[in-house]
Amino acid sequence: DAGVIQSPRHEVTEMGQEVTLRCKPISGHNSLFWYRQTMMRGLELLIYFNNNVPIDDSGMPEDRFSAKMPNASFSTLKIQPSEPRDSAVYFCASSFDRASYNEQFFGPGTRLTVL
Amino acid sequence: AQSVTQLGSHVSVSEGALVLLRCNYSSSVPPYLFWYVQYPNQGLQLLLKYTTGATLVKGINGFEAEFKKSETSFHLTKPSAHMSDAAEYFCAVRDAYGGSQGNLIFGKGTKLSVKP
Repeated sequence: DAGVIQSPRHEVTEMGQEVTLRCKPISGHNSLFWYRQTMMRGLELLIYFNNNVPIDDSGMPEDRFSAKMPNASFSTLKIQPSEPRDSAVYFCASSFDRASYNEQFFGPGTRLTVL
Repeated sequence: AQSVTQLGSHVSVSEGALVLLRCNYSSSVPPYLFWYVQYPNQGLQLLLKYTTGATLVKGINGFEAEFKKSETSFHLTKPSAHMSDAAEYFCAVRDAYGGSQGNLIFGKGTKLSVKP
């Protein structure tokens, strides 16, 4: 079975540019999570969807960040405009909360570098 | 509120020695507890989980953890460390409030180094 798929795996962009990160959760999972990981702040939850609806976006740093989940098999995290402090590894994770006791399955991550 | 505390951001052991990574949690509901491992340049993988039943949980790669309610702990152990165990380990507890029941609260992680 395919796991959580993220694209791109690496992204290098210049300050001020728009960045879009993509995630395909595991088929049948109904919850999706976006995390950010940095050396300074560790692993941070940015936003959490359940049945395609955003449940908790309190971790989204500011209005430059937005996330969507138009259907059960696709989600995007957009940063516009990007800044050097957004450089991090962004992880997407999914779970099936009715059967998995909240076990989350993580994608390989997107390493974002903003110059 | 739910929280997780991992004692020690870095732990170093010799190959063949006991591995002990500490995790204490706070939960207002019966906890579901997890240990994840992250190898360099990879995502997090589930090592083991406790939901209900037996308090000693066995996971992959020879790791196990014991749920101790009286101590609010879920420490991760492995009798004999291998070089391939070098990674970062995260303890997590399920969230319990409102619409966030599907969420996990992660600790800050412990980096394990294994010396030859």
